[in-house]
Amino acid sequence: QVQLVESGGGVVQPGRSLRLSCATSGFSFSTHAMHWVRQAPGKGLEWVAIISYDGGNEFYADSLKGRFTISRDNSKNTLHLQMDSLRPEDTAVYFCARSWEPVVVPVFDYWGQGTLVTVSS
Amino acid sequence: SVLTQPPSVSGAPGQRVTISCTGSSSNIGAGYDVHWYQQLPGAAPKLLIYGNINRPSGVPDRFSGSKSGTSASLAITGLQAEDEADYYCQSYDSSQTGSYVFGTGTKVIVL
Repeated sequence: QVQLVESGGGVVQPGRSLRLSCATSGFSFSTHAMHWVRQAPGKGLEWVAIISYDGGNEFYADSLKGRFTISRDNSKNTLHLQMDSLRPEDTAVYFCARSWEPVVVPVFDYWGQGTLVTVSS
Repeated sequence: SVLTQPPSVSGAPGQRVTISCTGSSSNIGAGYDVHWYQQLPGAAPKLLIYGNINRPSGVPDRFSGSKSGTSASLAITGLQAEDEADYYCQSYDSSQTGSYVFGTGTKVIVL
């Protein structure tokens, strides 16, 4: 079955960096675009970034451009999110999600359980 | 968020509730598809409806979606205690580069 498992979260000081990973299994990773979505404590969902199936294209939420970098390793079926210059407002649970395109707007059809990132001094 | 949902809706077991998702001409009104997700407490979101009206396999037919103009709706009929959760709509907004957007979220309360 499809599985997505995030890791790499933790407590980090403002201005520092953190790298999240999402290990996947149970599907052909190299044929799906992938997303990161985050959820601040007690708040709603916020889309973060998408990377194409081959890593050739990346798009980010406008508010995050320049600080976050999404990447993937298709040989290891793993997705990454490099987060730099972290701010307290980046505190959230970060989910990876598989992209599925049965219609024009991609669907997030499978999600990981999330990893908590806390930015605090 | 550019997609607005009511903070909460409530209903007794067996009743029907609807959740609205109001957008604009740069997202839902532009013809972009709307998807719906259910998030149980402490869990990851789960896909409920895709492409405005379609249910993935395994989702009960008590859940249905619709779309008209700049809005979309999720209806839950025969409300059950296990439906108590947060619900989010999702679409695409052309006013921002590569921007997938979620609604503000709605808490369904089963009385």
